[in-house]
Amino acid sequence: GENVEQHPSTLSVQEGDSAVIKCTYSDSASNYFPWYKQELGKGPQLIIDIRSNVGEKKDQRIAVTLNKTAKHFSLHITETQPEDSAVYFCADDGAGSYQLTFGKGTKLSVIP
Amino acid sequence: NAGVMQNPRHLVRRRGQEARLRCSPMKGHSHVYWYRQLPEEGLKFMVYLQKENIIDESGMPKERFSAEFPKEGPSILRIQQVVRGDSAAYFCASSPGTEPGTQYFGPGTRLTVL
Repeated sequence: GENVEQHPSTLSVQEGDSAVIKCTYSDSASNYFPWYKQELGKGPQLIIDIRSNVGEKKDQRIAVTLNKTAKHFSLHITETQPEDSAVYFCADDGAGSYQLTFGKGTKLSVIP
Repeated sequence: NAGVMQNPRHLVRRRGQEARLRCSPMKGHSHVYWYRQLPEEGLKFMVYLQKENIIDESGMPKERFSAEFPKEGPSILRIQQVVRGDSAAYFCASSPGTEPGTQYFGPGTRLTVL
């Protein structure tokens, strides 16, 4: 994609609360929107993804929603746990270009 | 099923030396991507390769950087005459190629240029 904006850059929540991270993209041809979790000193881990023919996808405590009209997608984590603390990145693919464009990341801290 | 392997995990070079970063994709994956991550930043695409072919190198600097993915062996990202600005984490990802976009990342190589 051309550009991906991610907000907030930092997020602190109490254990058990929900966390929401939002991304907007500019390339209207983007079709694929993954979310990655990166722990300190490690590589990004794919946690959930969504394609443009679907509006919402859920996997246990994690869900992603996509609004193609508004060009934004969001990550929702419910019942947060301390092990959810990490940096989360959104990305898009720019119409199947195989080249992922990443947001700048959100540092999530879950306070026990 | 082993994931994406990268080595070395940490690499220290002096200015002017060469850095070679290696990446072995997941078993069954024939597509490899290299990304660079600066501190406090997201990942930036560098190059996309399939076996023996460079498909897209639009994100790679024109000078000093090169990449290959030979028929046998790992993919190599090579940086010649390193400068301090090359210090970063370099991540490799792989995909089977059957689904556009889906990429699985390795643990990265952290390059420090003194």
